[in-house]
Amino acid sequence: AQKITQTQPGMFVQEKEAVTLDCTYDTSDQSYGLFWYKQPSSGEMIFLIYQGSYDEQNATEGRYSLNFQKARKSANLVISASQLGDSAMYFCAIIDTGNQFYFGTGTSLTVIP
Amino acid sequence: GAGVSQSPSNKVTEKGKDVELRCDPISGHTALYWYRQSLGQGLEFLIYFQGNSAPDKSGLPSDRFSAERTGGSVSTLTIQRTQQEDSAVYLCASSLPDWPYEQYFGPGTRLTVT
Repeated sequence: AQKITQTQPGMFVQEKEAVTLDCTYDTSDQSYGLFWYKQPSSGEMIFLIYQGSYDEQNATEGRYSLNFQKARKSANLVISASQLGDSAMYFCAIIDTGNQFYFGTGTSLTVIP
Repeated sequence: GAGVSQSPSNKVTEKGKDVELRCDPISGHTALYWYRQSLGQGLEFLIYFQGNSAPDKSGLPSDRFSAERTGGSVSTLTIQRTQQEDSAVYLCASSLPDWPYEQYFGPGTRLTVT
């Protein structure tokens, strides 16, 4: 079974609007970590935000926030006030107690001026 | 400090030739990962090194792929008898030895097998 599922292959958002990128995960571990990475067309993978399974508060980093719903095994990324530079591929990933990372297939986000 | 570096940035090789891809992790990072990313796809785990422990090779797609890590630092991914389906971007990442092992990625090596 897929550890990480990203069901939105492509998303569009108007500049300055907020957008939510979906991510669901599958693990039986109690302790795990969830990450979001951004990959612009240049190809580099840029760390955005991290959420630990025991963290009670949703993680936030500037314009990025992670909507963590543990019971639903959901870790959606919310980008507020979208900017043209946000256009990129976004990958959700999980690390479990095996210390191996599993990445989703990604969501391509396009910000429209 | 310096980030993760990879060389070469681009490699074009003929089918059947061997290639070596190099990764220099961030100093002090004991964990090192190799991934493969085919065009428009997600990241496919290949191999994971953690300190002096035996590497986790469970993601290597065939015995043509191997990797080593010398002195707990630099790593080399070797692909023998390259095939056209090996064409992809090979990404290396390193992380600190502490949970949650946040990964810092290199710029990747784009491999093209003709």
